[in-house]
Amino acid sequence: GAVVSQHPSWVICKSGTSVKIECRSLDFQATTMFWYRQFPKQSLMLMATSNEGSKATYEQGVEKDKFLINHASLTLSTLTVTSAHPEDSSFYICSARDLRQGNYGYTFGSGTRLTVV
Amino acid sequence: GQSLEQPSEVTAVEGAIVQINCTYQTSGFYGLSWYQQHDGGAPTFLSYNALDGLEETGRFSSFLSRSDSYGYLLLQELQMKDSASYFCAPNSWGKLQFGAGTQVVVTP
Repeated sequence: GAVVSQHPSWVICKSGTSVKIECRSLDFQATTMFWYRQFPKQSLMLMATSNEGSKATYEQGVEKDKFLINHASLTLSTLTVTSAHPEDSSFYICSARDLRQGNYGYTFGSGTRLTVV
Repeated sequence: GQSLEQPSEVTAVEGAIVQINCTYQTSGFYGLSWYQQHDGGAPTFLSYNALDGLEETGRFSSFLSRSDSYGYLLLQELQMKDSASYFCAPNSWGKLQFGAGTQVVVTP
């Protein structure tokens, strides 16, 4: 089945620094990937849709200058949290769509737990 | 606008059957997915309904009524390992939107 790899699985950074999270589709090409954010005991909130070769589409209320998304190849999307602050501490999860599986084909990465100190 | 409702928590004993209801309101509806998530883990796909009716996958079944904007996930023969959060996720214009999740607690 489709596999999505996400790295790092956890990261601690100092306030004001930037953190990059990678999301890779290992055995399929993904023209579209999705980035979610989840606070403890809460739902997954869609942040943005990452489109290969074009600009990401951000959901309402998500700061595009703070959460930079790059989807430079058919198997890799990156999310960079710029000038991180403690309130950015959260669980970030990516998802990639395997078009071979139609609307069943949304596979999630294992997530990245970001702690900003 | 968009809205999603599902119960916040359900408790049941091992071997029981649990039904998690989901009502949604969304545009560009393609179908309804269900995901399971254990604490600290990634969501894992359980079931998907594009058309009205029941889909059965082992101990898990899912139902959809597009006209009622309603679906449910049925968990049968509950096991301790089924203790987790369950999310309904309507596919809206090709994007999955997640509900608040239902915490299922399975007791011995």
